[in-house]
Amino acid sequence: AQSVTQLGSHVSVSEGALVLLRCNYSSSVPPYLFWYVQYPNQGLQLLLKYTTGATLVKGINGFEAEFKKSETSFHLTKPSAHMSDAAEYFCAVRYKAAGNKLTFGGGTRVLVKP
Amino acid sequence: DAGVIQSPRHEVTEMGQEVTLRCKPISGHDYLFWYRQTMMRGLELLIYFNNNVPIDDSGMPEDRFSAKMPNASFSTLKIQPSEPRDSAVYFCASSFRRGLAGDTDTQYFGPGTRLTVL
Repeated sequence: AQSVTQLGSHVSVSEGALVLLRCNYSSSVPPYLFWYVQYPNQGLQLLLKYTTGATLVKGINGFEAEFKKSETSFHLTKPSAHMSDAAEYFCAVRYKAAGNKLTFGGGTRVLVKP
Repeated sequence: DAGVIQSPRHEVTEMGQEVTLRCKPISGHDYLFWYRQTMMRGLELLIYFNNNVPIDDSGMPEDRFSAKMPNASFSTLKIQPSEPRDSAVYFCASSFRRGLAGDTDTQYFGPGTRLTVL
């Protein structure tokens, strides 16, 4: 079955350090790829998405992600973590054959230490 | 725009009672999605609509769950009878399909309804 995997359910980073969240998908056909962020007691908000074209995608709040077809990956990075980045992050995929459905990874909770 | 609106934000009920969750999508959006989020199962798609018509309800857990979209600005998710294992946060999301070639759509999520079934 097609799926999306996020490595690490929890990540702890120091303020100012690099944030790296990993996402891999399982499909021979590249899907559309998304990263969403969920702050406590809120709904999900889109950070960025990849459809076609440039494989390095820039999103809001200084985040970016790179689509690597050879690695079936779409890892999310931010050069310098801020306290406000503490949240849960979800990678999601949409396979063209699956209509308009998004499949979400299990989520990675980010803790930012002062 | 007010964004996706969900009500109530919190619902506490007793096992066996009927629960109705409500959603108002963003005006002009033609897709509406219902998700459920739990610690054990993560974020699951329950059902989605296009132009008020249910397209895929394969995620609906069982017959106790039903969803309707009587018009473009309103949808309900009903659980009857409710059970403790239905306790979760239920999200509604909406999106607008752009173009004809299956362009990606950004799904906009509501704040969710936290349901507790005692």
